[in-house]
Amino acid sequence: DAGVIQSPRHEVTEMGQEVTLRCKPISGHNSLFWYRQTMMRGLELLIYFNNNVPIDDSGMPEDRFSAKMPNASFSTLKIQPSEPRDSAVYFCASSPGQHTDTQYFGPGTRLTVL
Amino acid sequence: QQQVKQSPQSLIVQKGGISIINCAYENTAFDYFPWYQQFPGKGPALLIAIRPDVSEKKEGRFTISFNKSAKQFSLHIMDSQPGDSATYFCAARRGSTLGRLYFGRGTQLTVWP
Repeated sequence: DAGVIQSPRHEVTEMGQEVTLRCKPISGHNSLFWYRQTMMRGLELLIYFNNNVPIDDSGMPEDRFSAKMPNASFSTLKIQPSEPRDSAVYFCASSPGQHTDTQYFGPGTRLTVL
Repeated sequence: QQQVKQSPQSLIVQKGGISIINCAYENTAFDYFPWYQQFPGKGPALLIAIRPDVSEKKEGRFTISFNKSAKQFSLHIMDSQPGDSATYFCAARRGSTLGRLYFGRGTQLTVWP
């Protein structure tokens, strides 16, 4: 089975541009999580969904960040406008939900905002 | 506010030695404590996990020790190998939060040959 798929793997953009990160969770998983990883702040949860519904977005840094999950097989994290301090590795993870707590992480998207 | 505090931030161990990473928490509602392992350029992956009804869980060279009264848990890596060099994260979950994990800041382990 394919794991969590994220695209792009690397993104370099200029300050002020819109950035869209994409995630395809493992088929059949009910929960989806977006994380941001930096040296300074470690692994931060930005938002998570259960059955496509956002449950907790308190980790989203500010209004420039938005996330959607239009169906069970796709989610996006959008940053508009992007800033240099958004440079980080963004991970998507999915979990089966019921009866198991394991989160399966994707390979991440390394974002660089110049 | 960090819900799970992890130490040390970095650890260097000789091959064959024991690596020990510690975590502490305050929320007594936490009921599941996993450890994740992350290699450079990869996403974290579940290594081993424990629930508070047991004090120890062992899988191969990896052992979690859990002290419920002290609200602490630790990862022990016996006979550490260079291939164990990675970043390790402890985490905790409350049963009512639909799988949300609270991660520690991570420990970068380097095992010298």
